Amino acid sequence: DQQVKQNSPSLSVQEGRISILNCDYTNSMFDYFLWYKKYPAEGPTFLISISSIKDKNEDGRFTVFLNKSAKHLSLHIVPSQPGDSAVYFCAAKGTTSGTYKYIFGTGTRLKVLA
Amino acid sequence: DTGVSQNPRHKITKRGQNVTFRCDPISEHNRLYWYRQTLGQGPEFLTYFQNEAQLEKSRLLSDRFSAERPKGSFSTLEIQRTEQGDSAMYLCASRRTGENTEAFFGQGTRLTVV
Repeated sequence: DQQVKQNSPSLSVQEGRISILNCDYTNSMFDYFLWYKKYPAEGPTFLISISSIKDKNEDGRFTVFLNKSAKHLSLHIVPSQPGDSAVYFCAAKGTTSGTYKYIFGTGTRLKVLA
Repeated sequence: DTGVSQNPRHKITKRGQNVTFRCDPISEHNRLYWYRQTLGQGPEFLTYFQNEAQLEKSRLLSDRFSAERPKGSFSTLEIQRTEQGDSAMYLCASRRTGENTEAFFGQGTRLTVV
């Protein structure tokens, strides 16, 4: 049962354009969401997070949008840079549901073309 | 803040041998996680510690797996009688107290069982 889904395994974007990565979840108890970036042979690096009481959080070139009714979140990267090429994972956590774990999607590989 | 440290970075072992991995979390973080990641998948939760108490374990954590955090600082993950299906990247993460806080990952230990 994949509670966090990233349905696009890969995405290619031209340098300078917007990258939009999508994530869907099924568990309505999730109330904290995160995006991580991962380079080969390294651990995931935290990028940005959002609590379910918000619908948008922005940090520099990265913005995360949350649509609770659709159980959908997205990560926007503007402008995209070649160094953004990596695998991006979304993760969710149910803070009030008595579980402590982060549940991850399967990832989207982003390639930013120079 | 020196980040989450994992040792060794790589481990090759013969099937049936026991292996032990170590994780040193960020010093002020009292929450610690172990995850496993295989190719094409997102990190899968294995277990969680709050200080020295192991509060949550995944069904993925068979009897051959055991994790400890004896003094609430570093943690070890032991796999007994390794099988080829145990080959994966084993990731450790830590986070500080608070409900909506992000986890920081180490660089992982790549296990290959031959």
